[in-house]
Amino acid sequence: GIQVEQSPPDLILQEGANSTLRCNFSDSVNNLQWFHQNPWGQLINLFYIPSGTKQNGRLSATTVATERYSLLYISSSQTTDSGVYFCAVGRGAGKSTFGDGTTLTVKP
Amino acid sequence: DTGVSQDPRHKITKRGQNVTFRCDPISEHNRLYWYRQTLGQGPEFLTYFQNEAQLEKSRLLSDRFSAERPKGSFSTLEIQRTEQGDSAMYLCASSFQGLFTGELFFGEGSRLTVL
Repeated sequence: GIQVEQSPPDLILQEGANSTLRCNFSDSVNNLQWFHQNPWGQLINLFYIPSGTKQNGRLSATTVATERYSLLYISSSQTTDSGVYFCAVGRGAGKSTFGDGTTLTVKP
Repeated sequence: DTGVSQDPRHKITKRGQNVTFRCDPISEHNRLYWYRQTLGQGPEFLTYFQNEAQLEKSRLLSDRFSAERPKGSFSTLEIQRTEQGDSAMYLCASSFQGLFTGELFFGEGSRLTVL
């Protein structure tokens, strides 16, 4: 199956700093999503981005499918950005495979 | 438009008991997925349905686990003879799937604790 590797596993920032989270995957994919898991465990959709670049406010994402990686950028981080960020990838129909996540802590 | 809803949100049970979780997907979505997440890990795929047909099952889904989606609407996930290792968050997702693609939308999860 597809292997998904996220880095860094942990990231600590001061409020206002920028960050880049990375997702590497081992095979070609048709689906790629970024999620933020809130403290209650719900996965919140950030981006559906199997290729290209998207932006939503302070967040943006880029997927380079030919090189099998995706990046999530968070600018001017806020304490509410804290939590675990997951990348999930899939090929064709069926399951998506998740990485182990990046735990982001933003300090005031 | 309501999102994916799961019930119950929390379940505490004793080892050996049976438990059942329910998932109501977003109404126009044709695919429904079950995942399991343990502490410190990403969600792991269990099974998925297209309409009422169960199309794929993970090896994680032992014979104590059974999932159904009657009439292609809501789904249930039953765990028989629960073990402490079954303690986890059980997540349901739905999508409107084209031939190959589709964005997953997750519910709030059902957290199971087996004593």
